[in-house]
Amino acid sequence: NAGVMQNPRHLVRRRGQEARLRCSPMKGHSHVYWYRQLPEEGLKFMVYLQKENIIDESGMPKERFSAEFPKEGPSILRIQQVVRGDSAAYFCASSPIGQMNTEAFFGQGTRLTVV
Amino acid sequence: QQQVKQSPQSLIVQKGGISIINCAYENTAFDYFPWYQQFPGKGPALLIAIRPDVSEKKEGRFTISFNKSAKQFSLHIMDSQPGDSATYFCAASISTGFQKLVFGTGTRLLVSP
Repeated sequence: NAGVMQNPRHLVRRRGQEARLRCSPMKGHSHVYWYRQLPEEGLKFMVYLQKENIIDESGMPKERFSAEFPKEGPSILRIQQVVRGDSAAYFCASSPIGQMNTEAFFGQGTRLTVV
Repeated sequence: QQQVKQSPQSLIVQKGGISIINCAYENTAFDYFPWYQQFPGKGPALLIAIRPDVSEKKEGRFTISFNKSAKQFSLHIMDSQPGDSATYFCAASISTGFQKLVFGTGTRLLVSP
């Protein structure tokens, strides 16, 4: 049973380009969470999705960021018109249900560098 | 009020020693306190977690101590080993919700041989 798969592992984008980060949850998991880790900081919650639904996006920047988790395929975190401040590690986690007594498993992250 | 403050930022311990990492929170609604271990290039992995109805939880060499009145909790790693060298994050959340974790800033632990 493969773990949470994120790709790409490393992504370099020029300012103004778009970044697409993908997350395939563990088999049987229908809940996905995205976190961002800035250098020398802890992870910060961005968004929580179930299949085809955004449940909580309170941690998402209001502009340029969007997330989806379609019925088929991976969850996508999309960052439009990237700026240097978007450089960070983006982690996806998944769980079978969205309750606190169920551990969420993290992927290895996508490290985005904006040049 | 949503912050979790973690200290120290970095820690060097000799092999066989005790590593202690401390965290403090302000939001009294938090009732789930996990610790995560992260190796370079990897995602965080759940190490051990505690709820405030107990003051201590032990799993192998890892122990969480919880002080509800002081709103503090700590991770103790007994008989620290070089393989424990990693970054450790404390976190907190409200267990009636989903996995919306508030993380501390991390402690980089180095266990010297």
